[in-house]
Parts: sequence; structure tokens; C-alpha cells
Amino acid sequence: QKEVEQNSGPLSVPEGAIASLNCTYSDRGSQSFFWYRQYSGKSPELIMSIYSNGDKEDGRFTAQLNKASQYVSLLIRDSQPSDSATYLCAVNPSNYGGSQGNLIFGKGTKLSVKP
Amino acid sequence: DGGITQSPKYLFRKEGQNVTLSCEQNLNHDAMYWYRQDPGQGLRLIYYSQIVNDFQKGDIAEGYSVSREKKESFPLTVTSAQKNPTAFYLCASSIRASGRAQEQFFGPGTRLTVL
Repeated sequence: QKEVEQNSGPLSVPEGAIASLNCTYSDRGSQSFFWYRQYSGKSPELIMSIYSNGDKEDGRFTAQLNKASQYVSLLIRDSQPSDSATYLCAVNPSNYGGSQGNLIFGKGTKLSVKP
Repeated sequence: DGGITQSPKYLFRKEGQNVTLSCEQNLNHDAMYWYRQDPGQGLRLIYYSQIVNDFQKGDIAEGYSVSREKKESFPLTVTSAQKNPTAFYLCASSIRASGRAQEQFFGPGTRLTVL
């Protein structure tokens, strides 16, 4: 059973702090990793994709991937109240469902940024 | 203005009724996906299509059917055989499904309620 695990939270951080969101996955052959943001009642919005070990930065967001330890994380610097949402981690396991494009999603971590 | 549209936004179904959810994209993407999201749960894959006139079952296909007659359209029918259809239904697309997994982009979703 290929799995993606996230702490459901809620994770509460003060405005201006760094929020750290973590995700672990079970399939060592996974190649592609994605972070989505989902506001309450809305559909997921892609924030970051990462494919290689190390860090990838985009504005206030940094994705970190460690394939040896099978975890991927998302750091949000200078957190704002508008960042309050559920963050979904998605992983592309090897040969999932016969298609290399399919993703498995974690249940998400709810982030709350307090003013 | 490129994107993915889903209709209707809200849908109410009576017991024993089939309903069809629409998904259209003008991104020229080859691959399209249908997911179901229940409260506090991750996204679960219902069906996916890598190319026109071809589609495959996902993890929870029972009680659902799809068609892919045009590249732009991937409608989902929720049949009376689906015993617990109340959920948030999300359609997504990606450039292609082969090779390294591509980013999936989501439509706004359809919220289905059984009366």
C-alpha cells in the first residue's frame, strides 16, 4: 500500500514566523513531489513541485526533498494570515495504477497564522 | 483565458438517480483526472484518462463511469450504484501522463449532496 502521511494539525504560528510542514511517503521509487494549498471550500492550488534532492525556493516558499529519508517538507517564511489553509502533499509513486502520472495525496495539514 | 471549468458548482441527487458532472479544459492537456474528497480526507482517484478515447479506473471507480470523446472534456457520471456519493468532486488535468509526473491543475469542484 503506497502511502503519503502528513500531520493533520492544526499547526498554529504567529504572523511573520516560519511555518514548517512535513510529509513522509512509503514508496522509495517515488520521483515527483508536489505541494498544494487548499482554502476551505475551494479546490487545491499548486504551490511547488520538486523532483531532486535538496531545496527549491520560490518567493516565500521553500520545498525540501530528502529521498533517502523519504520525506518532503514545505517552509513558508514571513507567514501571513492569508497563508491560513490546508496544505496537501502529493507524491507520484513508481508505476501507480499503470500510469506514471498518477498522484497519491496526503490528508493535509491545516495551518493557522495568527495576526 | 485558459483553465479548467466544472459544472454545476452544487448538485443535489435523489436516491436511485444518475447524475453527470461536467469537466472542460482549454489548456490543451492530454491527461485528465477525477478525484473525490471527503471531509478530513485526502483526494482519492476515481478515474483517469491519458489520451482521447482511453480511460482507466482509479482506486475507487465502483459506482462511477466516465467518457473521453474529446480532448477538452471528461464528464463523470455518478450512478445509483454509488452508495455514498455525497462528497466534493474535483477534476484535474496535466500536460501528459507519461514520463516524469507533471503538475496537475484543478478545476473549482462540484459539491454533490444526496437528498
